[in-house]
Amino acid sequence: KAGVTQTPRYLIKTRGQQVTLSCSPISGHRSVSWYQQTPGQGLQFLFEYFSETQRNKGNFPGRFSGRQFSNSRSEMNVSTLELGDSALYLCASSLAQGANEQFFGPGTRLTVL
Amino acid sequence: GQQVMQIPQYQHVQEGEDFTTYCNSSTTLSNIQWYKQRPGGHPVFLIQLVKSGEVKKQKRLTFQFGEAKKNSSLHITATQTTDVGTYFCAGNSGNTGKLIFGQGTTLQVKP
Repeated sequence: KAGVTQTPRYLIKTRGQQVTLSCSPISGHRSVSWYQQTPGQGLQFLFEYFSETQRNKGNFPGRFSGRQFSNSRSEMNVSTLELGDSALYLCASSLAQGANEQFFGPGTRLTVL
Repeated sequence: GQQVMQIPQYQHVQEGEDFTTYCNSSTTLSNIQWYKQRPGGHPVFLIQLVKSGEVKKQKRLTFQFGEAKKNSSLHITATQTTDVGTYFCAGNSGNTGKLIFGQGTTLQVKP
């Protein structure tokens, strides 16, 4: 089976812009979670989608949003970018909803200038 | 809120030495997972522990889950250069569905 794929792999944006990241889970996986990884804060949970519905949410501002499509693919959107949003954004898929074994994608490296 | 602390933050060892990283949660965990992230890579699932006092082994790696289900450890025997990377524990408290990751322990192995 192909692994989790994320596009784009690298992105450079300026403050105030918005960005959309895409994630394709492993075939058959219906849960997609998003994480933000930074050197200072580590790996932080953003949200989880299962069957096109957000099931869990971390402690991030409303500028961070997401959605999931009927084929389980997911997108994450960050609006009004801030310098502090520079991070590696990791998508992880899982067979079932909840804190199960996560299969991570390679990530999208976002740099905000 | 739930916090998962991991120590040490960094560990440098000589190849062949043992290595241990410890994980402590502020709340009782339903389960704990361990992941390894190689430099420049993404986290890869290693194992999940569910039962109080559970011990699992994978070759040179030994994982333990504390009796109170609030702490866990990963021990590597006779490290090799292929063990280099950052090891994360991740806990789920109260079946919230959210995985809370520790800060990770970065292991460097000198050949």
